[in-house]
Amino acid sequence: DQQVKQNSPSLSVQEGRISILNCDYTNSMFDYFLWYKKYPAEGPTFLISISSIKDKNEDGRFTVFLNKSAKHLSLHIVPSQPGDSAVYFCAASAFASYDKVIFGPGTSLSVIP
Amino acid sequence: DSGVTQTPKHLITATGQRVTLRCSPRSGDLSVYWYQQSLDQGLQFLIQYYNGEERAKGNILERFSAQQFPDLHSELNLSSLELGDSALYFCASSVGGGVNTGELFFGEGSRLTVL
Repeated sequence: DQQVKQNSPSLSVQEGRISILNCDYTNSMFDYFLWYKKYPAEGPTFLISISSIKDKNEDGRFTVFLNKSAKHLSLHIVPSQPGDSAVYFCAASAFASYDKVIFGPGTSLSVIP
Repeated sequence: DSGVTQTPKHLITATGQRVTLRCSPRSGDLSVYWYQQSLDQGLQFLIQYYNGEERAKGNILERFSAQQFPDLHSELNLSSLELGDSALYFCASSVGGGVNTGELFFGEGSRLTVL
């Protein structure tokens, strides 16, 4: 039972354009949603998060949108840069589950110069 | 540098063997998590400890076990290894104990190859 889904295994975008990565979840108990970025041979690193009481959170070129009714979130990267090429994991957590964090399968983003 | 240290970085062993992966969390972090990433798979949650006690369990096989020691480092023991156990094993840590915001700090991983 996959509680966090990322249906696009890969995405290619031209440098300077917008990258949109999507994520769906099934568990309505999730309170926090996060995006992690992973380069080859490195561990994932936290990128941006959003609480379930918000519908948008912005940090520089990165914006996360949350649609609770659709159980959907997306990460927008504008403008995309070659250094953004990495695997992006969507993750979710619930306050009531102590510290359990569930990750999606990841989307590999390639930004083409 | 996340501050989370995992050893060894690479490990090659044979089927049926047993290995131990070690993790030292960031200074001050009480929670340790273990995740498995197989080829083309996402991060599968295995188990989580908080201040020495098991807090949450995911899809961890019975052949696998873990513990967190009084100095807060953790070990993941994998026994009766099978070819399918070949994967990257990540350890992550967080302060823990309060509101679960999901922000974890990951180590660089231990790559296990079972031949």
